[in-house]
Amino acid sequence: QVQLQESGPGLVKPSETLSLTCTVSGGSISSYYWNWIRQPPGKGLEWIAFISESGTTNYNPSLKSRVSISIDTSKNQFSLKMSSVTTADTAVYYCARFFGSGRRWLDPWGQGTLVTVSS
Amino acid sequence: EIVMTQSPATLSVSPGERATLSCRASQSVSSNLAWYQQKPGQAPRLLIYGASTRATGIPAGVSGSGSGTEFTLTISSLQSEDFAVYYCQQYKDWPLTFGGGTKVEIK
Repeated sequence: QVQLQESGPGLVKPSETLSLTCTVSGGSISSYYWNWIRQPPGKGLEWIAFISESGTTNYNPSLKSRVSISIDTSKNQFSLKMSSVTTADTAVYYCARFFGSGRRWLDPWGQGTLVTVSS
Repeated sequence: EIVMTQSPATLSVSPGERATLSCRASQSVSSNLAWYQQKPGQAPRLLIYGASTRATGIPAGVSGSGSGTEFTLTISSLQSEDFAVYYCQQYKDWPLTFGGGTKVEIK
């Protein structure tokens, strides 16, 4: 079955750019929609953005000015960049899939990667 | 943005008892609602989508109901593996939004 794995630096300095990659294995990245979600320590879930195989994107308005999502179908990967990070961006970042319009429940999820913003 | 509100924040239940969790949407989401279970140190796991359809591998003792703005997740007889945090998520509109979670703890 499809599995997702996040990767990237675990520590980012304030004002710098956070960069994460999600690698999809066990299936093709085509024909689905790929998402980033985050969870600050001890808090709830916040959806960040999605991208389709064709490059269609949608962002959470609360983060849209600082976030960019991209996809590399040849590598079965998609990526997240978040600029001008602050300590409030410290969180576990998850990648996840949904099937498409009207079917936007998230399954499966990656195991998550903790990103700490600190000098 | 559609705001999702879950209650209670914490539910204390004895093993073998029934747990009933609530989720309310600030506007109608029809049946575009999912439920997830999250255990400490793990990613969320999909339990229910379409408000009442169990995901693959989810036992019959887990059920979802509701439509519009009021939803319920019921676990009929709590086992040790069911003690976790549960989140609802609406997918009617953008951005996708989650409730704040209900922690089900051992009484």
